[in-house]
Amino acid sequence: DAGVTQSPTHLIKTRGQHVTLRCSPISGHKSVSWYQQVLGQGPQFIFQYYEKEERGRGNFPDRFSARQFPNYSSELNVNALLLGDSALYLCASSLVIGTGDEKLFFGSGTQLSVL
Amino acid sequence: QKEVEQNSGPLSVPEGAIASLNCTYSDRGSQSFFWYRQYSGKSPELIMSIYSNGDKEDGRFTAQLNKASQYVSLLIRDSQPSDSATYLCAVPNNAGNMLTFGGGTRLMVKP
Repeated sequence: DAGVTQSPTHLIKTRGQHVTLRCSPISGHKSVSWYQQVLGQGPQFIFQYYEKEERGRGNFPDRFSARQFPNYSSELNVNALLLGDSALYLCASSLVIGTGDEKLFFGSGTQLSVL
Repeated sequence: QKEVEQNSGPLSVPEGAIASLNCTYSDRGSQSFFWYRQYSGKSPELIMSIYSNGDKEDGRFTAQLNKASQYVSLLIRDSQPSDSATYLCAVPNNAGNMLTFGGGTRLMVKP
């Protein structure tokens, strides 16, 4: 079975541009979460979607948005890119949510560089 | 806001030794704890979960939880160079819809 897939793997943008990152969860997983990982730090939570509804939002500006599609894949959109948005963006899927026992399976990430 | 703290390291141990990685958390209500391993340039991979006070063993890995002292640790026995990675401690929130990660501890196992 395929794991969590993300595209693209690398992306270079300039300040002010917009970017869309894509993620497909493990087959059967209905929850997708997005995390941002700056070099040398742990991942920071951005969004969680379950059954196409937003179930959680981290402390990120409104320039960040996401959605989940009927096939449970997801997109993360970032508008008006800043240099500080340069990071590894990780998508994770899980089978269940709300139990406290959610095991996240991460994709290989999208490395975004903003110049 | 939950906080999860880890020593950033690097923690250097010789091959065959026991590596001990520690994590403290601020929310006394936390019930679940996860350890992820992240190789350089790769994504995090879940290696252990623990929910009850005490020890949980899985192969060469042992997770230890002390809720009274609010710390969780990961022991790696017979450390191998392939264990060299960053180890991330993570705690879910009460709603179970997000994980708060520590900053990670970089482990270096020297042959």
